[in-house]
Amino acid sequence: ETGVTQSPTHLIKTRGQQVTLRCSSQSGHNTVSWYQQALGQGPQFIFQYYREEENGRGNFPPRFSGLQFPNYSSELNVNALELDDSALYLCASSLKTPAFEKLFFGSGTQLSVL
Amino acid sequence: GQQVMQIPQYQHVQEGEDFTTYCNSSTTLSNIQWYKQRPGGHPVFLIQLVKSGEVKKQKRLTFQFGEAKKNSSLHITATQTTDVGTYFCAGSSGAGSYQLTFGKGTKLSVIP
Repeated sequence: ETGVTQSPTHLIKTRGQQVTLRCSSQSGHNTVSWYQQALGQGPQFIFQYYREEENGRGNFPPRFSGLQFPNYSSELNVNALELDDSALYLCASSLKTPAFEKLFFGSGTQLSVL
Repeated sequence: GQQVMQIPQYQHVQEGEDFTTYCNSSTTLSNIQWYKQRPGGHPVFLIQLVKSGEVKKQKRLTFQFGEAKKNSSLHITATQTTDVGTYFCAGSSGAGSYQLTFGKGTKLSVIP
C-alpha cells in the first residue's frame, strides 16, 4: 500500500465532456506526477507539479491541465474529451531529492470515453 | 525526444525457468528505474540504478545498468507464479524536472 489515493476509480464520459481526476499524495511528498497508460502500453508522462507549480510537461495538448494544492494533493483536468483519451490515469508522488526520486503510484482512475 | 525500448514484449516461461528483459534508451540516462505491474494493478517500484556498469540483486532478481548508461536488463532466476506481471524500465536524463520515460514493458506469463 503506497498511501497515494486516487478518485474516482472508474469513470465513463462522452466525447466533448470535461473530467476532473483527483489524487492525494503520500504523506511528506511534495511532488506529484500524472501519467496516462493506454491498454498494453507503458505509462506516458503528462506533467509534474512541485510545490504547486508545474515542473515539467510531456507531449500532451493544453486541454490537459493540472493543479497542486498547498496540502500537495492534486487534480488532473481534461477538457473536450476525445475517444483516444480512454486510458488508466495514474498519479505518482515522490519526495523531490536530486539523487533519488522513486515514484509511489496510486491505483489509478480508469477513464472510458464513449 | 527520449525513447525507451523494451524487448521482448511478451515472454511465456515454464515455472522454474529463467527470464530476462532488456531495455534500451535513445539517449544517455542519468538513472534507470524498474517497476512491476501486476494484472489490474499499478506500477510498483523495484529498484533504481545510477552508476555506469552497476549491478544490483534482490533475491532472485538481478538488475544491470550498461557501461554507456543507455541500456539495462532485469534477469529473474527460477521464475515463480508470483513473478507474473508486466515489467517496465523507466529512464531519466536528469537535470531539472524529473521526467521518467517508460518503456512499453515486458509481460511475463509463468506456466505452473
